[in-house]
Amino acid sequence: AQKITQTQPGMFVQEKEAVTLDCTYDTSDPSYGLFWYKQPSSGEMIFLIYQGSYDQQNATEGRYSLNFQKARKSANLVISASQLGDSAMYFCAMSGLAGGANSKLTFGKGITLSVRP
Amino acid sequence: DAGVIQSPRHEVTEMGQEVTLRCKPISGHDYLFWYRQTMMRGLELLIYFNNNVPIDDSGMPEDRFSAKMPNASFSTLKIQPSEPRDSAVYFCASSLGGRNTIYFGEGSWLTVV
Repeated sequence: AQKITQTQPGMFVQEKEAVTLDCTYDTSDPSYGLFWYKQPSSGEMIFLIYQGSYDQQNATEGRYSLNFQKARKSANLVISASQLGDSAMYFCAMSGLAGGANSKLTFGKGITLSVRP
Repeated sequence: DAGVIQSPRHEVTEMGQEVTLRCKPISGHDYLFWYRQTMMRGLELLIYFNNNVPIDDSGMPEDRFSAKMPNASFSTLKIQPSEPRDSAVYFCASSLGGRNTIYFGEGSWLTVV
């Protein structure tokens, strides 16, 4: 079984500063994928970034980067130069890769990020 | 390109009524997922399809829930009869085999009173 743990309480960051959102996972699958999604107050789920367990380099997408530490089973999201629009709930999720990266996602409970002006 | 399209966006219905949620995946995508989000249980997978065939429906809560995908561009999630505990946001998502991105629709907010 797969498990995603997001234990940080609500996070606060000053505009233009960087912030790290923590995610740890547990799985017995030899290969897997890790995702981060953003859910603003309007409710939609926005894909941010993906990391494959065998990827040699940490994933980056614009201001988002994923700090992947396989031995520690952590996949922290780093947001650089925070913007007011980054205020949202952030979910870490994992998929098994038995059927490609498109098998079902297991989600964490989410972390609320508030960006202060 | 159009994203995943869900309807209705909001629905309020009375207990015992039938509810049908609809989803149009991104054109060309071969995987379709239905998720439910509640405060208590977070986001949980209900069912997913590959090439219109249900692959895993172990998350469907009970017989009152059913899902179909009659063709590559349309899926429904039906609840009959609905109960107040079914109140949640229901998300449809789709992806393309071999790609590492799963796209979500905007969700259908269901309230059963």
